[in-house]
Amino acid sequence: EAGVVQSPRYKIIEKKQPVAFWCNPISGHNTLYWYLQNLGQGPELLIRYENEEAVDDSQLPKDRFSAERLKGVDSTLKIQPAELGDSAVYLCASSPQGSNADTQYFGPGTRLTVL
Amino acid sequence: GQSLEQPSEVTAVEGAIVQINCTYQTSGFYGLSWYQQHDGGAPTFLSYNGLDGLEETGRFSSFLSRSDSYGYLLLQELQMKDSASYFCAVSYNNDMRFGAGTRLTVKP
Repeated sequence: EAGVVQSPRYKIIEKKQPVAFWCNPISGHNTLYWYLQNLGQGPELLIRYENEEAVDDSQLPKDRFSAERLKGVDSTLKIQPAELGDSAVYLCASSPQGSNADTQYFGPGTRLTVL
Repeated sequence: GQSLEQPSEVTAVEGAIVQINCTYQTSGFYGLSWYQQHDGGAPTFLSYNGLDGLEETGRFSSFLSRSDSYGYLLLQELQMKDSASYFCAVSYNNDMRFGAGTRLTVKP
């Protein structure tokens, strides 16, 4: 069974440029998560999807960040414009139903460097 | 809100036993999970405790005391490959909050 796929693995951009990250969750997983992880810290939730619906986006900085999961499968996270402080690893995870007892399966992440 | 506390670093020798503690404060607590992350890798699931007590999976065990808002991960017969960061995470309201992680270094 294929795991969570993310691309690109690495991205270097200049500040004020836009950037997009793509995630393909494990087949059949209804719940998809985007996390941000800074060096030496744990993952921090940005947004959670149940199928196509964003059910928790309270931690998403909506002035510059946006996300979509149009068909309830793949998802894209966008930053426009990027700032220096956005340099981090962006992790995507999925789980079968998103219940409290579900294991989350993480992708390898996209390491973003903003210059 | 939610908060978790775990030690930032732990060092142990090969073959030893190490315990990583985690205390938490959260409303709507449902369970405590542990994830392992090697440098440059993805977090991977290790264990989950929904009820008080000990869960054992091979060399790894995890414990939860809901009344004390406390849990720990126990790693036995340490191997060099166990050098990684370990995160405790609380489940609540169908979301999960991760601690800052404990960096375990296993020395020969």
